[in-house]
Amino acid sequence: ETGVTQTPRHLVMGMTNKKSLKCEQHLGHNAMYWYKQSAKKPLELMFVYNFKEQTENNSVPSRFSPECPNSSHLFLHLHTLQPEDSALYLCASSQDPSHTGELFFGEGSRLTVL
Amino acid sequence: GENVEQHPSTLSVQEGDSAVIKCTYSDSASNYFPWYKQELGKGSQLIIDIRSNVGEKKDQRIAVTLNKTAKHFSLHITETQPEDSAVYFCAASLYNQGGKLIFGQGTELSVKP
Repeated sequence: ETGVTQTPRHLVMGMTNKKSLKCEQHLGHNAMYWYKQSAKKPLELMFVYNFKEQTENNSVPSRFSPECPNSSHLFLHLHTLQPEDSALYLCASSQDPSHTGELFFGEGSRLTVL
Repeated sequence: GENVEQHPSTLSVQEGDSAVIKCTYSDSASNYFPWYKQELGKGSQLIIDIRSNVGEKKDQRIAVTLNKTAKHFSLHITETQPEDSAVYFCAASLYNQGGKLIFGQGTELSVKP
């Protein structure tokens, strides 16, 4: 248990669906992240939020829309995805947004786009 | 930008043997190098990290070495046990870059009893 909870753990959706991934951290951290993990590829940083403000968008397509209503919750809204978007989406948090401290990862949401 | 290469992609060892995973990075300004362990069905967890002001760091059976000149760093696991079986990721970043870790491709380690 890392203190970062992701739901759902598994999601199957069609290309025309709209769904959302949720992440919640119980660690009192100020920074939250979305990473994409595809088979045989490095983890790819997608978005960074510091104190609820987005500070990094790593050239992510607009069909991925993040939302951070507060420092403890992070969402990834999905719409009109492509099959190549199928991957494990990992949420992480860290204490201090200005320094590279330890990242605490959730277990991930396995997304399959049909 | 930073690029991290990790090898091998898979590694199988007998219980009790040592395992070594190697990573190279491209940005000479990177100064923070963590290693994460991802077990099946669990979130990735930091197992050890090293900053560029040291060349080696040990924590029980795990050690990391850093060669700044060659821009590579390695994870060493001694006396491997079946519970060491997992995917290991190396990463690199600048310490003041707010969590912008650049990860390697991962190494799937299998320790056979």
